[in-house]
Amino acid sequence: DVKVTQSSRYLVKRTGEKVFLECVQDMDHENMFWYRQDPGLGLRLIYFSYDVKMKEKGDIPEGYSVSREKKERFSLILESASTNQTSMYLCASSIHNSGTGELFFGEGSRLTVL
Amino acid sequence: SQQGEEDPQALSIQEGENATMNCSYKTSINNLQWYRQNSGRGLVHLILIRSNEREKHSGRLRVTLDTSKKSSSLLITASRAADTASYFCATDGGGYNKLIFGAGTRLAVHP
Repeated sequence: DVKVTQSSRYLVKRTGEKVFLECVQDMDHENMFWYRQDPGLGLRLIYFSYDVKMKEKGDIPEGYSVSREKKERFSLILESASTNQTSMYLCASSIHNSGTGELFFGEGSRLTVL
Repeated sequence: SQQGEEDPQALSIQEGENATMNCSYKTSINNLQWYRQNSGRGLVHLILIRSNEREKHSGRLRVTLDTSKKSSSLLITASRAADTASYFCATDGGGYNKLIFGAGTRLAVHP
């Protein structure tokens, strides 16, 4: 079975802390994505990556950065966490130019910033 | 920017009834997909319909697509309490590598 694993299901951090959210996929997918999910707003794309060391901004990249040093791992970094970054973060992967774009999601990381 | 907009935002029905959710989008697409999310979990792919298809079935799911109206509907027949979840449509905006999601429909099926 295909699997996308997010390292932490629940995190509580303080304002100003640096936060790392890790995501690993075992499907050899080229594409990886970080979405943020908030009530009433659906999923909003933060960053995505088509290849190792490659990244592109999504719709809401401000306050976030990403790292993709290995094909299977895509990290989301909050350099200085703020309370408005309290949210559910979803990682996903897909096959590049698959003809469908079907996404495989992790279970999500719920981040609370105090 | 949101591509898909689901309607209604929330739907409450009894077991055995049918549930219909609608999705509208703004730009041309290659395909439209529906995903399901159980509370507090990740999304799971349900069904995909291509732009040259008008209707598709999978078990109790029926999806329709009207590209002239830029809209799709998801019908769940004979609903069960286990169908309680949020349902999202997602479109590819004409490409294959990035999906854009709507805000979702929260479905509650009561026993």
